[in-house]
Amino acid sequence: NAGVTQTPKFQVLKTGQSMTLQCAQDMNHEYMSWYRQDPGMGLRLIHYSVGAGITDQGEVPNGYNVSRSTTEDFPLRLLSAAPSQTSVYFCASSYSRFQETQYFGPGTRLLVL
Amino acid sequence: TQLLEQSPQFLSIQEGENLTVYCNSSSVFSSLQWYRQEPGEGPVLLVTVVTGGEVKKLKRLTFQFGDARKDSSLHITAAQPGDTGLYLCGRRGGADGLTFGKGTHLIIQP
Repeated sequence: NAGVTQTPKFQVLKTGQSMTLQCAQDMNHEYMSWYRQDPGMGLRLIHYSVGAGITDQGEVPNGYNVSRSTTEDFPLRLLSAAPSQTSVYFCASSYSRFQETQYFGPGTRLLVL
Repeated sequence: TQLLEQSPQFLSIQEGENLTVYCNSSSVFSSLQWYRQEPGEGPVLLVTVVTGGEVKKLKRLTFQFGDARKDSSLHITAAQPGDTGLYLCGRRGGADGLTFGKGTHLIIQP
């Protein structure tokens, strides 16, 4: 199993550009989530999904969209990037919403100029 | 938001020394997890503690869950450079997913 994979590893955007951060898992996990990690702020939940077709907002959802059309994939979209979205983004998955063990991807480092 | 406070924020010690880092909350939690994150990688689960007073050992790492389930500690014996990393505690938050503390940055110098 590859576990949780994320692409790209690094990305530089200009303010106002859009992009999609990809996340995929091959463990047949129902639950997937996106976090951002910023210095001094820790990991904060952006959006999560408890299964295909179901998504919900986390602590810091503004400026981000998600969809979950398949069990395996959970992309995160930035519609109009802002410098405040410069961060490291982690995707995580778990067997179900009730299982607390989260498996994290390697992260995407995003710089918005 | 039920905050998790981790201390110290930074810790740099020599190889072979012992250390303890802490995770505290003002509210009771049903379980707590400890993760380690190495530079350039995602967090990796070390342990989950569930029962008040529980002690779990993972080689040189000892995890303790407070009797009142409001605090937890991680003790490392004879620290090694490979223990270097960011140690995070996390618990189930109100919006699903995990709520994390800000972490303890640990550096073990050879």
